[in-house]
Amino acid sequence: TQLLEQSPQFLSIQEGENLTVYCNSSSVFSSLQWYRQEPGEGPVLLVTVVTGGEVKKLKRLTFQFGDARKDSSLHITAAQPGDTGLYLCAGARSSNTGKLIFGQGTTLQVKP
Amino acid sequence: NAGVMQNPRHLVRRRGQEARLRCSPMKGHSHVYWYRQLPEEGLKFMVYLQKENIIDESGMPKERFSAEFPKEGPSILRIQQVVRGDSAAYFCASSPNWRQDGSGNTIYFGEGSWLTVV
Repeated sequence: TQLLEQSPQFLSIQEGENLTVYCNSSSVFSSLQWYRQEPGEGPVLLVTVVTGGEVKKLKRLTFQFGDARKDSSLHITAAQPGDTGLYLCAGARSSNTGKLIFGQGTTLQVKP
Repeated sequence: NAGVMQNPRHLVRRRGQEARLRCSPMKGHSHVYWYRQLPEEGLKFMVYLQKENIIDESGMPKERFSAEFPKEGPSILRIQQVVRGDSAAYFCASSPNWRQDGSGNTIYFGEGSWLTVV
C-alpha cells in the first residue's frame, strides 16, 4: 500500500509553462517535506511544511500543505530547464522522528 | 558545516560477499537514518539510530542486514552474503535532536552509496 500518492509520475513541458505536482494521502501527517533529487545524488531538501493550510514560497516554487494535513502540492511558475529533476514528497506520521514515507516521485523535464 | 558524508560512493561486490557502508552525520546531529532506493522504486526507510541505540528498525530486512551507530565513529550499514536484489542506492540522513516547537521532521541526506552486486 502506497501511503503517499504522487502525481503525475512524469511531466514533460516547455520552458515558461506552469505546472503543479500533487502529493495525496488518506493519512494525516505531522509534517511534509519536498525534496529534489538529481541522478546519482541524494535528495536535497526544498521545504518543510508543518501547519495545515500553510503556504511557503521559494522563488518560483510554491508549496502548500492541505488544511487536513493529508495532502500537499508543489507549483512551479514559468518553469526553466534548470528545474528538470526528480521531485519527491515525504511525510512524517509523528513529530519526533525522521522516519519518512516517500511518494514515488515526479520526474520533470523542462525543454528549452 | 560539512554535510552528511557517505562512503564509499560506489561499491561492487560479488554474490555472497559482505558490504559495509559508512555514514558520518552532519556536525551537531545525533540522529541517523538509513534509506534504500531500489531501481525504479521510491525511497524506503530502513532504520533509525541514535548513538549506541537502535530506535526503529522496522524497515530493515530480518536477515543479513544490520546497522550500528557507535559512540565514536560513523554509522555503519552492514549487508552480509549479498545477493543481486541488494543492488540499490543506500542513503544516510541525519537530524539534530527533535525540537518541541513543531518545526517539522527535517532530515538531511547524504549523496548515497551505490551498491552493485555481480
